[in-house]
Amino acid sequence: DSGVTQTPKHLITATGQRVTLRCSPRSGDLSVYWYQQSLDQGLQFLIQYYNGEERAKGNILERFSAQQFPDLHSELNLSSLELGDSALYFCASSGLWEDYGYTFGSGTRLTVV
Amino acid sequence: EDKVVQSPLSLVVHEGDTVTLNCSYEVTNFRSLLWYKQEKKAPTFLFMLTSSGIEKKSGRLSSILDKKELFSILNITATQTGDSAIYLCAQVTGNQFYFGTGTSLTVIP
Repeated sequence: DSGVTQTPKHLITATGQRVTLRCSPRSGDLSVYWYQQSLDQGLQFLIQYYNGEERAKGNILERFSAQQFPDLHSELNLSSLELGDSALYFCASSGLWEDYGYTFGSGTRLTVV
Repeated sequence: EDKVVQSPLSLVVHEGDTVTLNCSYEVTNFRSLLWYKQEKKAPTFLFMLTSSGIEKKSGRLSSILDKKELFSILNITATQTGDSAIYLCAQVTGNQFYFGTGTSLTVIP
């Protein structure tokens, strides 16, 4: 157990729907990162939050949004889902000095049908 | 254009062999380079490299960064079947992380 908790583990939903992925960071970590991993794209950085505020933005679609709550857990909202959104979504967390590397959760596998 | 390029894409070796995985990156706002091992689930952290020429070592794994030539290598000696995984490198640039597509290593008995 890495200490980073992601729920749910698997999600199957229809096109056009909306889902919410949840991440609880490791205790004491202030930064949360979201990544999308698909077979043909590798790991793509989506967005980072630090202590409740958005800190960095990567290749995140406008249909996707995220937030970090006061208790530091984060949610990634995916709306108007398309088949191509099927992927593994990872959350990672790190402490104050992010450069030392960070810890990944076990991911949420999203399948859009 | 990919910022981080890993090679080879895939590698199959016999147990006991030594392998070298390569990762090239861009210089823009470089802060550090990270190596991860990904088996069936989440990537697990291996090394963080910030200084050129200083080898980081953990058991049979070692890694070094060359900031002049903009690449890093990950060496695994005396490979075991448990080393079979995808090895990812990532460049930390500013506040963003860029991952390569990984090298798939398969170690056969």
